[in-house]
Amino acid sequence: ELKVEQNPLFLSMQEGKNYTIYCNYSTTSDRLYWYRQDPGKSLESLFVLLSNGAVKQEGRLMASLDTKARLSTLHITAAVHDLSATYFCAVEHGSGNTGKLIFGQGTTLQVKP
Amino acid sequence: GAGVSQSPRYKVTKRGQDVALRCDPISGHVSLYWYRQALGQGPEFLTYFNYEAQQDKSGLPNDRFSAERPEGSISTLTIQRTEQRDSAMYRCASSLQGGLATDTQYFGPGTRLTVL
Repeated sequence: ELKVEQNPLFLSMQEGKNYTIYCNYSTTSDRLYWYRQDPGKSLESLFVLLSNGAVKQEGRLMASLDTKARLSTLHITAAVHDLSATYFCAVEHGSGNTGKLIFGQGTTLQVKP
Repeated sequence: GAGVSQSPRYKVTKRGQDVALRCDPISGHVSLYWYRQALGQGPEFLTYFNYEAQQDKSGLPNDRFSAERPEGSISTLTIQRTEQRDSAMYRCASSLQGGLATDTQYFGPGTRLTVL
């Protein structure tokens, strides 16, 4: 059974600091996603990572994937208050585009001025 | 353009009643997904359609839950004889086509179901 674990689950940081959120998963998968969710809102897609060594960047967020270690990271550079949200990683269950995403517990990021 | 829409946004029902939740995917999206999200948790997969065909229903908790997408567009998730443990946010997502390597699921606003 595929399990997805994120850490930390809660992160409070100062503006301007850097930090990394980790996502570990238990079995081989073809695709890994990062989503953002603001309080009371829906999920917004951030990144899709497909292959070992894949790196994607958008603004202050950078995601990477190590399929051998079954690990993805979401790195936050020089955090700003607008980045405060809950971040989920999700891994596709099985192989061959199954459509079934298994989500982590989420990491709630609070950026303080 | 218009995103995924869901109705109703809030539903309060009494235990034992049936409820039907509706999802209208992004126009042209082949694949449609249902998830359930408990407070403070990530979404939990329920079921998935390509066009009108239900591809995977392994996440439906029991036989009180069913879903259909008869014309390959709008989908309905039905919960019969609701129980208090069914209370959650039910989210629908759609994607262009699940078979594409870079396919991304776009989520709707959800229906908050409360069973009294």
